[in-house]
Amino acid sequence: NAGVTQTPKFRVLKTGQSMTLLCAQDMNHEYMYWYRQDPGMGLRLIHYSVGEGTTAKGEVPDGYNVSRLKKQNFLLGLESAAPSQTSVYFCASSYSGDVLEKLFFGSGTQLSVL
Amino acid sequence: AQSVTQPDIHITVSEGASLELRCNYSYGATPYLFWYVQSPGQGLQLLLKYFSGDTLVQGIKGFEAEFKRSQSSFNLRKPSVHWSDAAEYFCAVGERPSGGSYIPTFGRGTSLIVHP
Repeated sequence: NAGVTQTPKFRVLKTGQSMTLLCAQDMNHEYMYWYRQDPGMGLRLIHYSVGEGTTAKGEVPDGYNVSRLKKQNFLLGLESAAPSQTSVYFCASSYSGDVLEKLFFGSGTQLSVL
Repeated sequence: AQSVTQPDIHITVSEGASLELRCNYSYGATPYLFWYVQSPGQGLQLLLKYFSGDTLVQGIKGFEAEFKRSQSSFNLRKPSVHWSDAAEYFCAVGERPSGGSYIPTFGRGTSLIVHP
């Protein structure tokens, strides 16, 4: 049982480049989240999804787009990367956000934007 | 809007000593509260959670936390720390804005350093 899988694990971009981070879960979870983690800032919510075909903005959505075309996948896109987007990105999922069930986290993606 | 404050950025304890990590929240109604632990290079793992009922909750790895409404606190405790407990600890609160989906908000984390 893989749980939550993030790809890639590491990536280096130049300013202005685009990329997509993939999050896949095999637990049939409805809710999926993308967070970024920065030193001294903790985890901040970028976007989230409450089900296939739905997305919503979190605390820090600017510069990012997301898609949830399939229930098991939640994609995070950077259209034009900026150095301020250098961070560790975590995907999480939960069976039902209705009572805020336990979040299952991926192992993270380390992104550096030069 | 909800918020979570972890006032200590770093905590250093000796192995075998007791531990208390502080967490304060700001939320109008009864909050849903969580503690997560993050080992180096890993994602977060749930230690324990509080929804309602007994205000002292037990978690994994020998951790416990106590919800104190009067102090708006949910402090994490362990009676005897092991070297393997060295990690980053996050307090989180769940809110349901406008009756919609629950959104978890995390504190900035407390780094636990354990001396032998």
